[in-house]
Amino acid sequence: DSGVTQTPKHLITATGQRVTLRCSPRSGDLSVYWYQQSLDQGLQFLIQYYNGEERAKGNILERFSAQQFPDLHSELNLSSLELGDSALYFCASSRDSNQPQHFGDGTRLSIL
Amino acid sequence: TQLLEQSPQFLSIQEGENLTVYCNSSSVFSSLQWYRQEPGEGPVLLVTVVTGGEVKKLKRLTFQFGDARKDSSLHITAAQPGDTGLYLCAGASGAGSYQLTFGKGTKLSVIP
Repeated sequence: DSGVTQTPKHLITATGQRVTLRCSPRSGDLSVYWYQQSLDQGLQFLIQYYNGEERAKGNILERFSAQQFPDLHSELNLSSLELGDSALYFCASSRDSNQPQHFGDGTRLSIL
Repeated sequence: TQLLEQSPQFLSIQEGENLTVYCNSSSVFSSLQWYRQEPGEGPVLLVTVVTGGEVKKLKRLTFQFGDARKDSSLHITAAQPGDTGLYLCAGASGAGSYQLTFGKGTKLSVIP
C-alpha cells in the first residue's frame, strides 16, 4: 500500500460527459502529480501541484483541469469526454518536488 | 521532447534464468527511477539512481545508471515467477519540478 488513495477505482461514462477523479496523497506529502496511462502512449505526465499551487504542466488537454485543495487532496476534472480519453489515470505524491513519487492504484476510465 | 526507449518490449523467460532490461535516451536526466507495475495497481518504486556510473543492488536486482546519465539497465538474476510484471524506467528532468518522463515499459513473464 503506497498510502496514495484514488477514487473511484472504475468509472464508465459516455462521450460528452464530465467526470472528476479524486486523489488523497500520502500523509505529509505536499506534491501531487497526475498521469494518464494508455496502451499506446504509456504513462504520460499531465500536471503537478505543490502545496496548492500548480508547479508543472505536461501533456494535459485544455478539456482537462486539476486543483489541489488546502487539505492537499487533489481532483482531476475531465470534460467533453471523447472515446480516446479512455485510459488509466494515476495520481502520485511526494514529500516535495525533488523526492521520489509514490503512486496510487489509479482510476480506470471507460468512455462508451 | 525527452524520450526514453525501453527494450525489449516483451520478455518471456523460464524461472531461474537471468535477464537484462535496457532504458535508453538521447537526453541527460538528473536522476532515473525504476518502477514495477502489476495489473490493476499503480507503479511501485524500486530504486532511484542519481550519479553517473552508479550501481545499486536490491536482492536479485541490479540497477546501473550510465556514465553520461542518459541510459540505465536492470539485471535480474535467477528470475522468479514473482518478478513477473511491467518494468518502467522514468527519467527526472530536475529543475525543481521533478517531472518524470516514462518509458513504455518491458513486460516480463517468468514461467515456473
